[in-house]
Parts: sequence; C-alpha cells; structure tokens
Amino acid sequence: QKEVEQDPGPLSVPEGAIVSLNCTYSNSAFQYFMWYRQYSRKGPELLMYTYSSGNKEDGRFTAQVDKSSKYISLFIRDSQPSDSATYLCAMSESSSNTGKLIFGQGTTLQVKP
Amino acid sequence: EAGVTQFPSHSVIEKGQTVTLRCDPISGHDNLYWYRRVMGKEIKFLLHFVKESKQDESGMPNNRFLAERTGGTYSTLKVQPAELEDSGVYFCASSPGQGYEKLFFGSGTQLSVL
Repeated sequence: QKEVEQDPGPLSVPEGAIVSLNCTYSNSAFQYFMWYRQYSRKGPELLMYTYSSGNKEDGRFTAQVDKSSKYISLFIRDSQPSDSATYLCAMSESSSNTGKLIFGQGTTLQVKP
Repeated sequence: EAGVTQFPSHSVIEKGQTVTLRCDPISGHDNLYWYRRVMGKEIKFLLHFVKESKQDESGMPNNRFLAERTGGTYSTLKVQPAELEDSGVYFCASSPGQGYEKLFFGSGTQLSVL
C-alpha cells in the first residue's frame, strides 16, 4: 500500500466550477501537509501549506486537513483555465527535515473555457 | 533572483553509459534535494544535502547513483552505469535553512535510457 494515495484523474471541469482534490494517507506521523501545482515541463510549485489539522485559505484556494481520517483536500473556487495543471499533495513527518516529502501521484486538472 | 537551474533539460543515453545531471540551487540556499519521478509513479525523494554534507540519502536506489555537492554550491548526480529503469524526470529543489520552508524546484532533467 502506498503511503499517500491520490486519484490521478484526469479531471475536467468548466470554467467557474468548484474543484475538489483529495489525498488519503496511511502514516499517522505526518504533520506537514502541502499542495504543489505543476505545469507541463516545469517543476512543482508550492501552492498551500498546512501544519496538523485545520483549514487554510488563500484567495480562491482552501486546504483542509483531517488527521483523524487521514484525509486532505484542496478546493479551488471559480476555477480558471490557468488553473489547468497537475496538483500534487505532499506530506512530511519531521520539522527538522520538512523538505523530505512524500508525494501523491498527482491529479491532472483541465479547466475548459 | 534566479531560480533553481538544472542541466541538461533532456538526456538520452544507452544502457551502460554514464550520465551526470547538474543542479544549481538558489544562491544562499543551504538545503538541496534530489527527487525523481519514474513513468506512472509519484515523485520520490532521493537525498538531501545541507551545505556540502549529505544529511539523508535514504532514497538513493542503489550504488550506481552518486551525488555530490561541491563547496556547498551546485550539485551533481551521476548514474553509472545507467539502466533502463533509471529513466524518468530528476528534480532538484533547494530551500534556505532548517524547519519548514518552501521548496523551490527546478524544471527537472528528463533522462531516457535506451
């Protein structure tokens, strides 16, 4: 079983839709939860970061972490064609090495005009 | 400010050959990471440098892979001899210091071993 499970999609939505992306994980030691966005032929770019359980909002993006269910989500409101990319969830255990990330497989999102 | 730079962007080699990938982190970043994504799989951690020292190399697949970081600046990842299963995209990332920081990723090197 993978430590982090993420539906690879692809996910196709019309412009303006609310998008929900999710990951589940098995390692209860994970404390730091991140969402990265990756455009074609580019490296991942950090989009959202959350420590432990809770919600975090940044503009059209909301990240949620439910440690009791080992489930994290990313919501995108009023989705735009420029949001079309691969979204990767990532997690880490330790504050001393939060750069050692465990990634999900990534979900490919297409937002159609 | 320049981002993380990786060379080459693409490399096609034959099985048994040697390939060296290079990463130039953001200036002043002490932490440097190598990650790899093979076809159809998730991005996986390979190793972590703090300045010139290897902090964690638990993700290195085998002894055909050798990473170095000269003087705590740029890093190289050498694969010798390359095997078919080494094909994938190799990402480098850097960050300033300890604790949580944003990782800045390069665009990756696409390695194809034929």
